[in-house]
Amino acid sequence: DAKTTQPTSMDCAEGRAANLPCNHSTISGNEYVYWYRQIHSQGPQYIIHGLKNNETNEMASLIITEDRKSSTLILPHATLRDTAVYYCIVLIGNNAGNMLTFGGGTRLMVKP
Amino acid sequence: GAVVSQHPSWVICKSGTSVKIECRSLDFQATTMFWYRQFPKQSLMLMATSNEGSKATYEQGVEKDKFLINHASLTLSTLTVTSAHPEDSSFYICSAGRNGRNTEAFFGQGTRLTVV
Repeated sequence: DAKTTQPTSMDCAEGRAANLPCNHSTISGNEYVYWYRQIHSQGPQYIIHGLKNNETNEMASLIITEDRKSSTLILPHATLRDTAVYYCIVLIGNNAGNMLTFGGGTRLMVKP
Repeated sequence: GAVVSQHPSWVICKSGTSVKIECRSLDFQATTMFWYRQFPKQSLMLMATSNEGSKATYEQGVEKDKFLINHASLTLSTLTVTSAHPEDSSFYICSAGRNGRNTEAFFGQGTRLTVV
């Protein structure tokens, strides 16, 4: 699976959009981009995933560049409860029911 | 959405004792489940893949005789930490995906083990 690079930490003001970048320059054509987050002392939570088109759901939007070498997770109106570590993971195929390889993730701190 | 439940959420045990952690898929079947370990301020590390009806597959460096995994049914996998030592204190998390469906992984809430 392709390796990902994320900033170690980010701050965001409550109510503002949080934009979390992820680089995956070695991604291959059959690899999907998945985002999970982990709130302190809880299990990871799925957020969103995509292949090449931008995706949106009730939690977030995922913007994938045309060359697919990077992506951005957007939380449109961050709240204090969005404070968590966000993991960008690249997986072969469209089945994240398989094992996941977690990198360091980005620690997002939403501040009042 | 699909739910994966772990039990217990938190356990304290004495050195030398064994601790069993359960991982259940509550509303779906999972042929395969995964066990992760997470030390403070670190990321999740895969320990082993639990396969229903067969032996678990362990990652390099994980002792299979110390971390016993049993996946006796399509909805239950157990991880037993045998002869626990303080260095085994960690956050243990399981995950599963629905059989035959391309979906995301569902994680349990985690079990915090403290060995004293």
